[in-house]
Amino acid sequence: EAGVVQSPRYKIIEKKQPVAFWCNPISGHNTLYWYRQNLGQGPELLIRYENEEAVDDSQLPKDRFSAERLKGVDSTLKIQPAELGDSAVYLCASSPRLGFGSSYEQYFGPGTRLTVT
Amino acid sequence: SQQGEEDPQALSIQEGENATMNCSYKTSINNLQWYRQNSGRGLVHLILIRSNEREKHSGRLRVTLDTSKKSSSLLITASRAADTASYFCATAISSNTGKLIFGQGTTLQVKP
Repeated sequence: EAGVVQSPRYKIIEKKQPVAFWCNPISGHNTLYWYRQNLGQGPELLIRYENEEAVDDSQLPKDRFSAERLKGVDSTLKIQPAELGDSAVYLCASSPRLGFGSSYEQYFGPGTRLTVT
Repeated sequence: SQQGEEDPQALSIQEGENATMNCSYKTSINNLQWYRQNSGRGLVHLILIRSNEREKHSGRLRVTLDTSKKSSSLLITASRAADTASYFCATAISSNTGKLIFGQGTTLQVKP
């Protein structure tokens, strides 16, 4: 079974430029997450999708960040314009549909390391 | 904001020794999970313990949960060089959302 796929793996851009990250979750996983991980820290949730619906985007800086999950499969996270403080690793994760009384583990992709200069 | 606080931040041991990492959290939880992250890679799920469980084992891993103290520990027995990684605890407050809040992690180095 293929894991979560992310691209690109690395991206270097100048500040004020736009950037986009792509994620393909594990087949059949309804829930998709985008996290940001700063150096030496744990991941912090940016947005969570159930199928194509963003059900939790409270941590997404909406002035410059946007995300979409068309058709409830692949997802794209965009930053426009990027700032120096956006340098981090952006992780995508997926999990199966949640069952009653259960909370499933999440399966993570390798991440995209963004450097803003 | 991150709920979990992990201790120690860094740990260095010799191969064959046991490694213990601790995690404390602030609010009531549905379950607590431990993840491993190798350098430059994504996180890998290790083990999940529910709020009504006190101890769980998986291979060389042993996890305990003390809800009265809002703390958990991860024990890796007979460590190997391949166990070198960062370890994160993550808490799920609700079983309905799947939302996890991660701690800052413990960096483990196992010397051969």
